[in-house]
Amino acid sequence: GNSVTQMEGPVTLSEEAFLTINCTYTATGYPSLFWYVQYPGEGLQLLLKATKADDKGSNKGFEATYRKETTSFHLEKGSVQVSDSAVYFCALGGSQGNLIFGKGTKLSVKP
Amino acid sequence: KAGVTQTPRYLIKTRGQQVTLSCSPISGHRSVSWYQQTPGQGLQFLFEYFSETQRNKGNFPGRFSGRQFSNSRSEMNVSTLELGDSALYLCASSVTPGHLKETQYFGPGTRLLVL
Repeated sequence: GNSVTQMEGPVTLSEEAFLTINCTYTATGYPSLFWYVQYPGEGLQLLLKATKADDKGSNKGFEATYRKETTSFHLEKGSVQVSDSAVYFCALGGSQGNLIFGKGTKLSVKP
Repeated sequence: KAGVTQTPRYLIKTRGQQVTLSCSPISGHRSVSWYQQTPGQGLQFLFEYFSETQRNKGNFPGRFSGRQFSNSRSEMNVSTLELGDSALYLCASSVTPGHLKETQYFGPGTRLLVL
């Protein structure tokens, strides 16, 4: 079945550092891929998505490219801010109508 | 356009009680899904509703149930609460039933504590 493997944190960076959070997937069919972000005490917010191979999703300086050859969807940001501190979830569309999530990566950005 | 709303935001119950959580989807969205989030198990799919019918169900006991109304609002119910039911319950809505390509938008969640 479909599954997502996401690098486990926590990840601690200094402000303006480069961020990469790795995500790989196993899927039958061609699901959409998503990154969601969860700030403390809140629900999940859609950060970006990609619907087919080679698509690049981007939002708020974050980007991720749907790589079919490496089955990856790594999240990157060139210069993180303290306000980016949150938990990031990689997800893909499941065949039963549900989203399948990775375990989440906690990011802490220090000033 | 208003986002997904969930009520209540916080609940404290005792073992053996039952609880009902409510979710109002984004206007125009007809599909509602529920997820349970715990530190140990992460995000797990509970069930999905579309047109007042349950389309899919995750691997949860029958104590967990739900329904959807004609205005697409949804409720989930947990009976005979156990300590392990303490979690953040998230509702998500989408325009059409979830499938490989559909985008789901989440509410703020209801945090349930069972004592």
